[in-house]
Amino acid sequence: SAVISQKPSRDICQRGTSLTIQCQVDSQVTMMFWYRQQPGQSLTLIATANQGSEATYESGFVIDKFPISRPNLTFSTLTVSNMSPEDSSIYLCSVEGDQPYNEQFFGPGTRLTVL
Amino acid sequence: GNSVTQMEGPVTLSEEAFLTINCTYTATGYPSLFWYVQYPGEGLQLLLKATKADDKGSNKGFEATYRKETTSFHLEKGSVQVSDSAVYFCALRMGGGYNKLIFGAGTRLAVHP
Repeated sequence: SAVISQKPSRDICQRGTSLTIQCQVDSQVTMMFWYRQQPGQSLTLIATANQGSEATYESGFVIDKFPISRPNLTFSTLTVSNMSPEDSSIYLCSVEGDQPYNEQFFGPGTRLTVL
Repeated sequence: GNSVTQMEGPVTLSEEAFLTINCTYTATGYPSLFWYVQYPGEGLQLLLKATKADDKGSNKGFEATYRKETTSFHLEKGSVQVSDSAVYFCALRMGGGYNKLIFGAGTRLAVHP
């Protein structure tokens, strides 16, 4: 399994501002994922981030709103831009484990509240 | 499209009771199936998995069997503890290099002494 850390663990932000969330893994991984968990709801995949290529976004999520960086095999960032209260969620980073099962392991999450 | 349906919660049980959380799926193909658990204030942890029909995943006293004929992956535990109180998510992932996890809505379990 992989050990994943996220910063910040929580934040309270003002409407219209942006927040960048960092995800650090203790080993090199090819695929990293960003999920959103809105209050009381399940997880929804925002995008998949491979090192050295553009992130792939799921339907309903766009790069201008959720830009992602993946500068190396152990690190990624997700920015939530021009925030509104509807962006209040837990944002989780996950990574894919080794073959053959390719399990996904999750970070502790970043709890974001937008006022 | 592919989807996961879980029984609604919250589920409230007394300690040492038997637990079943129902999970059914819809998929075009043969997915891998997972149960994740989210303890209060923590991130998701993989609880167990099954990658093909009739596989049984087990961990920490929890079990789930991949039933292709009923497209189900119900989670069971014979005797729950207060420490099992958490939200449980059923999820699927299709094969063929498609990595996206599709989650059910989650089921909150509360176990009382």
